Amino acid sequence: QVHLQESGPGLVKPSQTLSLTCTVSNDSISSGGYYWSWIRQPAGKGLEWIGRIFTSGLTHYNPSLQSRVTISLDTSKNQFSLRLSSVSAADTAMYYCARDVLMGATDWFDPWGQGTLVTVST
Amino acid sequence: QSVLTQPPSVSGAPGQRVTISCTGSSSNIGTGYDVHWYQQVPGTAPKLLINGHNNRPSGVPDRFSASRSGTSASLIITGLQAEDEADYHCQSYDSGLGGCVVFGGGTKLTVL
Repeated sequence: QVHLQESGPGLVKPSQTLSLTCTVSNDSISSGGYYWSWIRQPAGKGLEWIGRIFTSGLTHYNPSLQSRVTISLDTSKNQFSLRLSSVSAADTAMYYCARDVLMGATDWFDPWGQGTLVTVST
Repeated sequence: QSVLTQPPSVSGAPGQRVTISCTGSSSNIGTGYDVHWYQQVPGTAPKLLINGHNNRPSGVPDRFSASRSGTSASLIITGLQAEDEADYHCQSYDSGLGGCVVFGGGTKLTVL
């Protein structure tokens, strides 16, 4: 069954760029039919969708983050990545990657990676 | 402030029935967009519980069900068990502000 694993630095300085990678196993991200999403969760708070990418490279971003977010694919490594620029303490959160199942007008997330904690601090 | 509103906490005794509400608006649930539910045990990642088509992934007991009406949706848990103690999140889509996946703020379920 498909498995997702996030990786990347756990500490990022303010104003710098956060970069994370999600490695997918037991499924090909280029096989089509799914989006691949990033979602984050500040400690003790709710979930926030960051954005998603389709196998074609088509992306959709949360309008509140759109100016700072880039999601990309590396099909040769079966990975997709997140870059979030100009980070501040407000970007400190657990970051999850997830397979995004689109059916009809809406989509759901299944499965999720285990998450990786990113702290923005000097 | 989440686009979808959930109660911060609910509780129930073993064997009881509990309901967790998810209130939206005319630009999300009220438009007819599906509502999906996730379970998150503390310290772990969320897990899909029920999708908007009322389908449960393999391994999710049929004690969990969902409903919707107007601009709201509900997760219903019957025969409450200690292992159900977790955070529950609703998720839908909002057509305002350019369109966006939206979540509720999450509800902490305590089994007494």
